[in-house]
Amino acid sequence: QVQLQESGPGLVKPSQTLSLTCTVSGGSISSGGYYWSWIRQHPGKGLEWIGYIYYSGSTYYNPSLKSRLTISVDTSKNQFSLKLSSVTAADTAVYYCAGAPYSGYDYNYFDYWGQGTLVTVSS
Amino acid sequence: EIVLTQSPGTLSLSPGERATLSCRASQSVSSNFLAWYQQKPGQAPRLLIYGASIRATGIPDRFSGSGSGTDFTLTISRLEPEDFAVYYCQQYGSSQTFGQGTKLEIK
Repeated sequence: QVQLQESGPGLVKPSQTLSLTCTVSGGSISSGGYYWSWIRQHPGKGLEWIGYIYYSGSTYYNPSLKSRLTISVDTSKNQFSLKLSSVTAADTAVYYCAGAPYSGYDYNYFDYWGQGTLVTVSS
Repeated sequence: EIVLTQSPGTLSLSPGERATLSCRASQSVSSNFLAWYQQKPGQAPRLLIYGASIRATGIPDRFSGSGSGTDFTLTISRLEPEDFAVYYCQQYGSSQTFGQGTKLEIK
């Protein structure tokens, strides 16, 4: 059974870069079976897809965040990471990493989720 | 961007009753690439339905999905106490977007 676990600072100062890592266990990122994604949920609000990466390094980003966003993968550690630059209070949210089965299409549903980590942007 | 509108915002029902949740898309969802998720407080979303009508692994058969094009429905045939939660729809046919959620609460 694949499990995902987010890690990273829970508090980031405005204008700085938010950095999170997702560690995948129970399966190999290099198997090519999944798109590895980041999704966030603002407090008390709905879900927002941030972007995803395939094991090859191919990425798809939400256009609204693309200019500030980098998603990378480290297959040797079975991890993928998120960097969001120039953060503001509007980036305060619970950040989830998730896996979507590779389908040959550009996007898919998410059947594996991490537990989520709250990141607060505040000075 | 395809906008998904879920209704009602809140649904108040009793255990044993039937729940019908709606998800309407601003344009047709290609290939019925629509999923439903359940989220309980403090937990990550859980996949219930994909492809508009296919139950995910381990999901009880009281959950069913239907619809096509722009109108989709999640039905819970007989509510169990553990079914009271927030439900989200997601389309993945053109980029991917989520609805704003329907809260299913105990009456």
